[in-house]
Amino acid sequence: TQLLEQSPQFLSIQEGENLTVYCNSSSVFSSLQWYRQEPGEGPVLLVTVVTGGEVKKLKRLTFQFGDARKDSSLHITAAQPGDTGLYLCAGAKGGSYIPTFGRGTSLIVHP
Amino acid sequence: GAGVSQSPSNKVTEKGKDVELRCDPISGHTALYWYRQSLGQGLEFLIYFQGNSAPDKSGLPSDRFSAERTGGSVSTLTIQRTQQEDSAVYLCASNPAGGPGANVLTFGAGSRLTVL
Repeated sequence: TQLLEQSPQFLSIQEGENLTVYCNSSSVFSSLQWYRQEPGEGPVLLVTVVTGGEVKKLKRLTFQFGDARKDSSLHITAAQPGDTGLYLCAGAKGGSYIPTFGRGTSLIVHP
Repeated sequence: GAGVSQSPSNKVTEKGKDVELRCDPISGHTALYWYRQSLGQGLEFLIYFQGNSAPDKSGLPSDRFSAERTGGSVSTLTIQRTQQEDSAVYLCASNPAGGPGANVLTFGAGSRLTVL
């Protein structure tokens, strides 16, 4: 059983469409991170969310942390081919120094 | 260096051989992590080093896996008697603080291991 469940696992869309990726858990996290990974590279941090209910925006990407700090979502508006990649959520339970990662959502945006 | 450096980027080996993978973290980062990424499996934690403390080895899958970190900097992950199921991308990451709440990792590009 994964501590962090991501959905959907795969997403293939056309340029200009909107999409939402979910990261869910039954555990409470002090913070959650979202990373994007491109082929042949390591994951790169997009954002950290810390406060329950927090919303952060990064250009066309909107990140939300659930009120109970158990889940998070990533919404992309008007997706572009450059958004193609593997999106990973990660978090460490209280007192842990070791982040656990979800299995990721593989996004392909077709021109 | 400016980023986390890993070598080799690709390694092909025969079943039963030993392999060493190297990680050079960002200068000054006291925390260092190794993760393994297999197709469709996400990132699996292997081992964590923080300063001079004893490493957290709780993620190592078997006693064929070991890692060391010399001088609080460079780390080497060693896999003895490799098996085909060891084929994966091995990712190293570092963190400046390593304390709870930090949890933001800077990753290297990974070492892709293929065991034939």
